[in-house]
Amino acid sequence: EAQVTQNPRYLITVTGKKLTVTCSQNMNHEYMSWYRQDPGLGLRQIYYSMNVEVTDKGDVPEGYKVSRKEKRNFPLILESPSPNQTSLYFCASSPFEAGGPDTQYFGPGTRLTVL
Amino acid sequence: ELKVEQNPLFLSMQEGKNYTIYCNYSTTSDRLYWYRQDPGKSLESLFVLLSNGAVKQEGRLMASLDTKARLSTLHITAAVHDLSATYFCAVDPSNRDDKIIFGKGTRLHILP
Repeated sequence: EAQVTQNPRYLITVTGKKLTVTCSQNMNHEYMSWYRQDPGLGLRQIYYSMNVEVTDKGDVPEGYKVSRKEKRNFPLILESPSPNQTSLYFCASSPFEAGGPDTQYFGPGTRLTVL
Repeated sequence: ELKVEQNPLFLSMQEGKNYTIYCNYSTTSDRLYWYRQDPGKSLESLFVLLSNGAVKQEGRLMASLDTKARLSTLHITAAVHDLSATYFCAVDPSNRDDKIIFGKGTRLHILP
């Protein structure tokens, strides 16, 4: 089954404790992206990647890191989480069509709480 | 800076009625997307619109794109309760990167 998986689905942590949220897709998509969703703010892009070893900042990259060592995986790293990073996080992937990302397939989401 | 604005942000409507959600964006765009999100769920793709005048339809939903006006519309025909959800438009701006900017979403509640 074609899908985007994220782990963990729920996480409660404390300020400053490094964490990684994994994202994997099995559709051989070139484009992968991380978003955070907050009430009243919609989805905001954190980082995206157009291919292996190619990553770029979205609108809200501060406090986050990513890597794209393999095509299928795109982990999101919070080196020193803070309470303002409490949010619902979505990973997404899409093929490249006509020179840009086509429709995105979203993972189930990770609800992160930073105390 | 690219801005994507959706109107309205909240909409409550009766079953059987027609309505339109508007998505305005502030700069040129390579493509425009529409997504649906049910409460507590992830996002599901509805449409991708690539060119001026593009129109796509799926069931009771029809999306169109006017790149000159920088406007996309999502039209709902004869609404049914199952279409209650939050609808997002998103834009891939026409520049060298492929950042994607989402609107804040339109929460649609269809009353039986």
